[in-house]
Amino acid sequence: DAKTTQPTSMDCAEGRAANLPCNHSTISGNEYVYWYRQIHSQGPQYIIHGLKNNETNEMASLIITEDRKSSTLILPHATLRDTAVYYCIVRVTNTGGFKTIFGAGTRLFVKA
Amino acid sequence: DGGITQSPKYLFRKEGQNVTLSCEQNLNHDAMYWYRQDPGQGLRLIYYSQIVNDFQKGDIAEGYSVSREKKESFPLTVTSAQKNPTAFYLCASERQGSNQPQHFGDGTRLSIL
Repeated sequence: DAKTTQPTSMDCAEGRAANLPCNHSTISGNEYVYWYRQIHSQGPQYIIHGLKNNETNEMASLIITEDRKSSTLILPHATLRDTAVYYCIVRVTNTGGFKTIFGAGTRLFVKA
Repeated sequence: DGGITQSPKYLFRKEGQNVTLSCEQNLNHDAMYWYRQDPGQGLRLIYYSQIVNDFQKGDIAEGYSVSREKKESFPLTVTSAQKNPTAFYLCASERQGSNQPQHFGDGTRLSIL
């Protein structure tokens, strides 16, 4: 599975949109983009995933560029509880999670 | 509610002692995984199992052992051969062959006395 590159940390003001970028320039045509987040001392929580179309759910929106080499996770109105480490992952879905690579992610600080 | 349960939440090990971490899921998932997380780092794969009675080594299997006697259960034993066992251990499961995400437990934090 392709590797991803994310900024080490980001700040966001409470109530503003948080835009978290991810580069996955070696992504292949059958790899999905997944986003998880991890709050301190808890397990990662799934947020959203997509293949090539933009996706939205109750937690966030996922914007994938047309060439699929990068994506952005958008938290539309960040709250203090959104402070966490956010992981961007790409993987082929007909193989097992043993190929899933969780890097260090982006540490998002939401400030009052 | 369906989910993954890890126990205990905190565990202490003496030098030379084996300890077993529990992971149970009621999601009817075929595949289960164990990861290790060190402070400020990502997740590293220890072992995984795609079917009952079968499991495979991940990237850092040395000093660990697992079993998969039931679909719902995937216990991890940290043996005395693991010289640096202090870490946060995460169990996950997923339905194979779909684009559905992995589900994670809330982890076990293991420390050495």
